[in-house]
Amino acid sequence: AQSVSQHNHHVILSEAASLELGCNYSYGGTVNLFWYVQYPGQHLQLLLKYFSGDPLVKGIKGFEAEFIKSKFSFNLRKPSVQWSDTAEYFCAVNAQNGGFKTIFGAGTRLFVKA
Amino acid sequence: EAGVTQFPSHSVIEKGQTVTLRCDPISGHDNLYWYRRVMGKEIKFLLHFVKESKQDESGMPNNRFLAERTGGTYSTLKVQPAELEDSGVYFCASSQAGGSYNEQFFGPGTRLTVL
Repeated sequence: AQSVSQHNHHVILSEAASLELGCNYSYGGTVNLFWYVQYPGQHLQLLLKYFSGDPLVKGIKGFEAEFIKSKFSFNLRKPSVQWSDTAEYFCAVNAQNGGFKTIFGAGTRLFVKA
Repeated sequence: EAGVTQFPSHSVIEKGQTVTLRCDPISGHDNLYWYRRVMGKEIKFLLHFVKESKQDESGMPNNRFLAERTGGTYSTLKVQPAELEDSGVYFCASSQAGGSYNEQFFGPGTRLTVL
């Protein structure tokens, strides 16, 4: 069965610190990979996605993620976080040839200290 | 363009009662999904509609849950009878026709509390 593992449930950083949130998935086939974010009081929204091509994907607000197929990983990075990045971040995966069922990780709560 | 809307935003019911959640997807989106998040755990897939047809309902927990999408527009998710473990946030999402890589747009969720 597909699963997604996010390495950290809670992360606390100071502004300007670098961020890396780990995500590993288990699935034997070809996948689409996503990072979603939920800011306080707002809907879940897409940060970035990968489905083919360059494994380094750039998203909104300066976020990027790198797909490493051999490691089944899709880690999210940002060189310098801001207070406004405080949110919960979800890694998600679905199968390219298996329908639209999307599997989410448990989420990582990021708190950025001003 | 209006986003995905859900009603109600909160529902508190007693064990054994019935609750119906509603989702209005973005106009023109053929794909509609229901998810549930329990107690800060992962967001779990419940089911997927393509227009009015259930494409994948493998995530539905049991037969107390019934989802419908009459006419291929809005969808309802009924829980009858509700149990304590059904408490959580129920999210609806929609996406355009096409590949599974299409972005899913999420609604604000309905927080269900079963006492």
